Amino acid sequence: SQTIHQWPATLVQPVGSPLSLECTVEGTSNPNLYWYRQAAGRGLQLLFYSVGIGQISSEVPQNLSASRPQDRQFILSSKKLLLSDSGFYLCAWSARGGTVLTDTQYFGPGTRLTVL
Amino acid sequence: AQKITQTQPGMFVQEKEAVTLDCTYDTSDPSYGLFWYKQPSSGEMIFLIYQGSYDQQNATEGRYSLNFQKARKSANLVISASQLGDSAMYFCAMREGLGRRALTFGSGTRLQVQP
Repeated sequence: SQTIHQWPATLVQPVGSPLSLECTVEGTSNPNLYWYRQAAGRGLQLLFYSVGIGQISSEVPQNLSASRPQDRQFILSSKKLLLSDSGFYLCAWSARGGTVLTDTQYFGPGTRLTVL
Repeated sequence: AQKITQTQPGMFVQEKEAVTLDCTYDTSDPSYGLFWYKQPSSGEMIFLIYQGSYDQQNATEGRYSLNFQKARKSANLVISASQLGDSAMYFCAMREGLGRRALTFGSGTRLQVQP
């Protein structure tokens, strides 16, 4: 079966510091990968998605970047964190091959980031 | 305009009773998919059920069913025989059109199941 891991689970960082959040998927090949952010008490907003190694699409302009160095690894980064980057970051995967409408996204456990 | 509207910020239900969580959506695209996710206090988003815009029948998954009324643009989640473990946030989400990857989420409904 497929599993998705994220680390760290929680992170407290000062403003201006760098960020690296990691997501890995097991049990599947060539997944579509996604990074979402959830502000407190809100729904999720898609930040980035990737359909393959080195292929990254950004949904919203922001202080963050994403990379996919390996097939099942997705990394969210920042060179200098802002207070507004605080939130709950969720990675998700979906299987390649389904239609865009039906492919279901499965989420990881998330990383709670607090920028002070 | 809001793409996904969940008008119930919080709901209470007695254990073993059924509950309906409302979701209305807005799209002019004939092709779209509707999803419901559960988010317990741990934070993980758990996929519950999916309904496609061309599906003729309402989706069901165990105790979860989706009351899909296309003309009214509503996709309400029905949970039968509520359990204490059903207490969580519930999010309705939509993907519209071909080629778009983003899921658009509603603001969620917090369900509390009472013993």
